[in-house]
Amino acid sequence: DAGVTQSPTHLIKTRGQQVTLRCSPKSGHDTVSWYQQALGQGPQFIFQYYEEEERQRGNFPDRFSGHQFPNYSSELNVNALLLGDSALYLCASSLAGSSSFGETQYFGPGTRLLVL
Amino acid sequence: KQEVTQIPAALSVPEGENLVLNCSFTDSAIYNLQWFRQDPGKGLTSLLLIQSSQREQTSGRLNASLDKSSGRSTLYIAASQPGDSATYLCAVRRGNDMRFGAGTRLTVKP
Repeated sequence: DAGVTQSPTHLIKTRGQQVTLRCSPKSGHDTVSWYQQALGQGPQFIFQYYEEEERQRGNFPDRFSGHQFPNYSSELNVNALLLGDSALYLCASSLAGSSSFGETQYFGPGTRLLVL
Repeated sequence: KQEVTQIPAALSVPEGENLVLNCSFTDSAIYNLQWFRQDPGKGLTSLLLIQSSQREQTSGRLNASLDKSSGRSTLYIAASQPGDSATYLCAVRRGNDMRFGAGTRLTVKP
């Protein structure tokens, strides 16, 4: 049973460029959440996708956008990269519909983005 | 706004010692609280999930407690081992997002 997978593992970009990160959820999961983790900090919620729609969004600018495909995989796009966007980007998957949001989110290994 | 704080930020103990990691949160209206382990440069591994209606959860040498009224959770690690060295993060969930603490970096010395 494949867990959550993310690609690429590492990425180097320059300021102003655009980047796309990809995530495949755990088998059987239909909900994908994205997090940004700066060095030495806890992950911060970017947004969550369910049924190909953005269901909830954290406090991130519109430069951060996403997409979910019919097979439940997801992409995170960041435009006009800033130095401060350098971080580990984590994807987590879960199964919607569980009562009281009690289900566990399963995290992928992350994509390390460095903006120069 | 939910704030999650973890104390201490770093902890170093000799092998075999029992230890407690602390997590506090400001808004008690949570659905659940989860403890994760993160190895350097890696993703998160879920250790224990405590529902809002529960008081504690146990898995092997790990025991996590939850006191919603005081906004506190503790992770107890018994008989620590060098392989337990990692960063431990707590996260509270309300709605579709999770709020994380900054973590406690644990080092267990042989």
